[in-house]
Amino acid sequence: KQEVTQIPAALSVPEGENLVLNCSFTDSAIYNLQWFRQDPGKGLTSLLLIQSSQREQTSGRLNASLDKSSGRSTLYIAASQPGDSATYLCAVETGFQKLVFGTGTRLLVSP
Amino acid sequence: GAGVSQSPSNKVTEKGKDVELRCDPISGHTALYWYRQSLGQGLEFLIYFQGNSAPDKSGLPSDRFSAERTGGSVSTLTIQRTQQEDSAVYLCASSLSGTGREQYFGPGTRLTVT
Repeated sequence: KQEVTQIPAALSVPEGENLVLNCSFTDSAIYNLQWFRQDPGKGLTSLLLIQSSQREQTSGRLNASLDKSSGRSTLYIAASQPGDSATYLCAVETGFQKLVFGTGTRLLVSP
Repeated sequence: GAGVSQSPSNKVTEKGKDVELRCDPISGHTALYWYRQSLGQGLEFLIYFQGNSAPDKSGLPSDRFSAERTGGSVSTLTIQRTQQEDSAVYLCASSLSGTGREQYFGPGTRLTVT
């Protein structure tokens, strides 16, 4: 059974810092990995999608890497801003397009 | 364009009553998913539709839960005889068909069973 873990569970940083969020999964047989952010009381916003054949994806200040063989992904956020405060979730796609979600990292960026 | 929409946004119901939750996917998305987010369980998969058929219902927690999709578009998740442990946020997502597609989520329906 696929299990997805995110470390740390919570992170508090001052504005401007670069930071790394970690995601690990137990079964390397995945189709892709997706990073989301969730604001309180809201749905999920897709940030980046990495196909299983890719090593990384970039969007603005965000960069996500994937090492499928070791079961790891990282989300790098450059020059963090208070607007980045949210819960970040990673999810891996297993068979039948099913997403298995991690436990989430709650990020707080202070001005 | 319009994203995934869900209704109602909030639902409070008494234990034992039936509820229906609705999802309108992005136009043209043939795949539709239901997930549930609860405090103790995180975010978990419930059911997946490809068109009007559901090849994977493995996540439905009990036979009180059912879902249907009509016209390859709108989907309804029905919970019969609701229990307090059904209280959660129910999220719907849609995507183009095929593996490796990005899933787009709606704002969710917060269900509270009293």
